[in-house]
Amino acid sequence: AQTVTQSQPEMSVQEAETVTLSCTYDTSENNYYLFWYKQPPSRQMILVIRQEAYKQQNATENRFSVNFQKAAKSFSLKISDSQLGDTAMYFCAFSYNDMRFGAGTRLTVKP
Amino acid sequence: KAGVTQTPRYLIKTRGQQVTLSCSPISGHRSVSWYQQTPGQGLQFLFEYFSETQRNKGNFPGRFSGRQFSNSRSEMNVSTLELGDSALYLCASSFRLAGGFNEQFFGPGTRLTVL
Repeated sequence: AQTVTQSQPEMSVQEAETVTLSCTYDTSENNYYLFWYKQPPSRQMILVIRQEAYKQQNATENRFSVNFQKAAKSFSLKISDSQLGDTAMYFCAFSYNDMRFGAGTRLTVKP
Repeated sequence: KAGVTQTPRYLIKTRGQQVTLSCSPISGHRSVSWYQQTPGQGLQFLFEYFSETQRNKGNFPGRFSGRQFSNSRSEMNVSTLELGDSALYLCASSFRLAGGFNEQFFGPGTRLTVL
């Protein structure tokens, strides 16, 4: 069974600085999808970034980028130039037949 | 394009009752998944429906059931409610790909409180 592990329950970062959230997963599959979702306080879950496992190039979306290490089964999220609006729960997710989520990392951006 | 909508947004029930939650996916999406979110267990997959058929099911008791209609709208039902069923129930819709989900779009959730 696929599992997703986020080892950092909580993190904080100063505004404008860079922070990296960790995620590891376990699977025997070769082709799958990985995601980072963001859930702001009392607000809807939204997709931050997506990575297809067959692509070697790391995905980037503006200030958000990933470090995808397929052999190590690692998928970390880097947020550059952190903003107050980045304060949220961040969930790493793995998709093959279904979607499995990690426990989440609560990120607080401090002014 | 309208997003995923869930009704009702808030619900209070008592133990032993049953409840039905509704989800309307984004137009054109045929896959609807349901998740239970609690502080202790995080996000747990309940089930997925695709073209009116249950495609996958998570590790939940038979009290949790669902269905999907021909217009892709989905309902989930929880019978004989227990205190532990108090949670945020999230619905997500997607285009379904052979190797998994390309992206899921989430609704705002239904907050269920069982007293």
